Amino acid sequence: LAKTTQPISMDSYEGQEVNITCSHNNIATNDYITWYQQFPSQGPRFIIQGYKTKVTNEVASLFIPADRKSSTLSLPRVSLSDTAVYYCLVATPMDSSYKLIFGSGTRLLVRP
Amino acid sequence: DVKVTQSSRYLVKRTGEKVFLECVQDMDHENMFWYRQDPGLGLRLIYFSYDVKMKEKGDIPEGYSVSREKKERFSLILESASTNQTSMYLCASSFPYGLAGDTDTQYFGPGTRLTVL
Repeated sequence: LAKTTQPISMDSYEGQEVNITCSHNNIATNDYITWYQQFPSQGPRFIIQGYKTKVTNEVASLFIPADRKSSTLSLPRVSLSDTAVYYCLVATPMDSSYKLIFGSGTRLLVRP
Repeated sequence: DVKVTQSSRYLVKRTGEKVFLECVQDMDHENMFWYRQDPGLGLRLIYFSYDVKMKEKGDIPEGYSVSREKKERFSLILESASTNQTSMYLCASSFPYGLAGDTDTQYFGPGTRLTVL
């Protein structure tokens, strides 16, 4: 099962674009790349998921190169409320569900 | 909005006690999961269930058991709590893979911080 590696922490300022890159060298053909956000004292919350190329939703974009060995979560114009831990993970489909391998996450601090 | 609730936010138990952690979801999800979260280790899957009375071991099932008598409820049981089971426990639920539209999302509860003395 694929393991992910991402920076331990990042700092940014309000209004900036933040890009968090994650590596997953041994991703399998059927695996998805997924990002979750976690605030203190809360469970993780799904942000975005993709398989290849680019995915965009109302909160973020996910860029995945052709070899799929890395991916980049892009948060446009961050605000103080985006301060959280961001987990890059690989979702491996199983028979009736899928398995999530959570890494240690990236702690993002957004400063005024 | 999906709601996953856990019976307690904080729990303190003694070594050797039997501990029940309850999780309830209101979205009619087939899949339910129990994770523990420890600093530096991320979330690790303990058990999951893809249907009533069905269960599968995750990565770290030792010392734990689960029960799913009703679709909406998934219980984690520590038969004899030990200090190394002090952790944050998170429950999640989801639709079966491939049936959730474009994405396969797990919805998490707020967590139960368990301390075993």
